[in-house]
Amino acid sequence: DAKTTQPTSMDCAEGRAANLPCNHSTISGNEYVYWYRQIHSQGPQYIIHGLKNNETNEMASLIITEDRKSSTLILPHATLRDTAVYYCIVRLGSARQLTFGSGTQLTVLP
Amino acid sequence: GAVVSQHPSWVICKSGTSVKIECRSLDFQATTMFWYRQFPKQSLMLMATSNEGSKATYEQGVEKDKFLINHASLTLSTLTVTSAHPEDSSFYICSANRGQGVGEQYFGPGTRLTVT
Repeated sequence: DAKTTQPTSMDCAEGRAANLPCNHSTISGNEYVYWYRQIHSQGPQYIIHGLKNNETNEMASLIITEDRKSSTLILPHATLRDTAVYYCIVRLGSARQLTFGSGTQLTVLP
Repeated sequence: GAVVSQHPSWVICKSGTSVKIECRSLDFQATTMFWYRQFPKQSLMLMATSNEGSKATYEQGVEKDKFLINHASLTLSTLTVTSAHPEDSSFYICSANRGQGVGEQYFGPGTRLTVT
């Protein structure tokens, strides 16, 4: 699986959009971009995934650049409960397992 | 969404004893489950892949005789930490893929193991 690079930490004001970047410059054509988050002392929670097109669900939006070398997870209106470590993971479509990097600690400030 | 449970949520045991952790997929069948370990302030590390009806596949550096995995049914996988030592104290998390191919992987809530 391709390696990902994320900032170690970010802060965001409550109610504002949180934009979490991820660099995956070595991604191959059949690898998907997945985002998970882990709230302290809990199991990771699936957020969203995509291949080429931008994706949106009830939790977040995923913006993938045209060259697919980077992506941004957007939480449109961050709340205090969104404080967590966010993991960007690149995974082959046929693969079953996930490989976690160090992630980004997002802290939503009141 | 799909639900994966773990039991117990936390356990304290004495050094030298064995501890069993259960992972269940509550509303879907999982032919494959995964076991991760997470030390404080670190990321999740995959320990092994649990396959229903066959032997588990262990990651490099993980002792298969120490971390026994059994996947006896399509909804249950167990991890037994044998002869536990303080350095085995960690947060153990299981997960399962729902369906085949591309899709989200669902994680259990984790089990906090403390070996005294």
